[in-house]
Amino acid sequence: KQEVTQIPAALSVPEGENLVLNCSFTDSAIYNLQWFRQDPGKGLTSLLLIQSSQREQTSGRLNASLDKSSGRSTLYIAASQPGDSATYLCAVRLGYGQNFVFGPGTRLSVLP
Amino acid sequence: NAGVMQNPRHLVRRRGQEARLRCSPVKGHSHVYWYRQLPEEGLKFMVYLQKENIIDESGMPKERFSAEFPKEGPSILRIQQVVRGDSAAYFCASSPERGGPDTQYFGPGTRLTVL
Repeated sequence: KQEVTQIPAALSVPEGENLVLNCSFTDSAIYNLQWFRQDPGKGLTSLLLIQSSQREQTSGRLNASLDKSSGRSTLYIAASQPGDSATYLCAVRLGYGQNFVFGPGTRLSVLP
Repeated sequence: NAGVMQNPRHLVRRRGQEARLRCSPVKGHSHVYWYRQLPEEGLKFMVYLQKENIIDESGMPKERFSAEFPKEGPSILRIQQVVRGDSAAYFCASSPERGGPDTQYFGPGTRLTVL
C-alpha cells in the first residue's frame, strides 16, 4: 500500500530565504508525482507535475525534483515571499487514471 | 473555460440528516474523483467514477455513503444519516479521457459541518 509522508509538518522562515520541502513515498513504482498548494479554507492549486521518467520540473521560483529509486521528491522555493504562505501537498499516482495518494502536507509560514 | 464547480461550498446538517454534494467537472471531462479531507489531515481518496459507472470505490465507507455520475448532470456524493465524524472538506476532481493531460483538476471543495 502506497504511503506518502512529508517533512517537516510545519515550517516558519523569514522572507527571502530559500527553502526545501521533502516528500517520501513507500512504493517507487509511481506513475507521476504532483505538488499542490492549498490556502486555508480553499481548494488545491497545482504547482508542478513530474512524470516518472523525469527528474525535475521548474516553474518560476519553484523547482521540484524526483528520485524514484529512493522514493523521494523535494520542492525547492527560492527567495520566499509572504504570499508563499500556505500548505504544500505532495501526491503520487500509481497508474494512468488512478487516484492520487496524498501526503499530510507541510504548513509554510513566510514572515515579512 | 469553467473549472470544476462544487456546490454548495458550505453545508450544515444535523446528525441523522442527509447531505448531497454536487460536482460539475470541467466541460468535456468524463472522469470524476472524490476526496475527503478531515480536519488537520491530508486528502484521502474516496471514489472514482466515469459516466454512469463506478470504477473504484475502495476509499469510500461501506455504509451511508454513495456516489453517482449520471449520463447527464453533475456527480453527486450522498451521505445518509450524517454523524459528527463526517464533518470534513469534500473535494471533487476531474480529468479528461485517455490521451489528454494526465492530471486532475480540483474543485474548491464543499465544507460539511455536522451539528
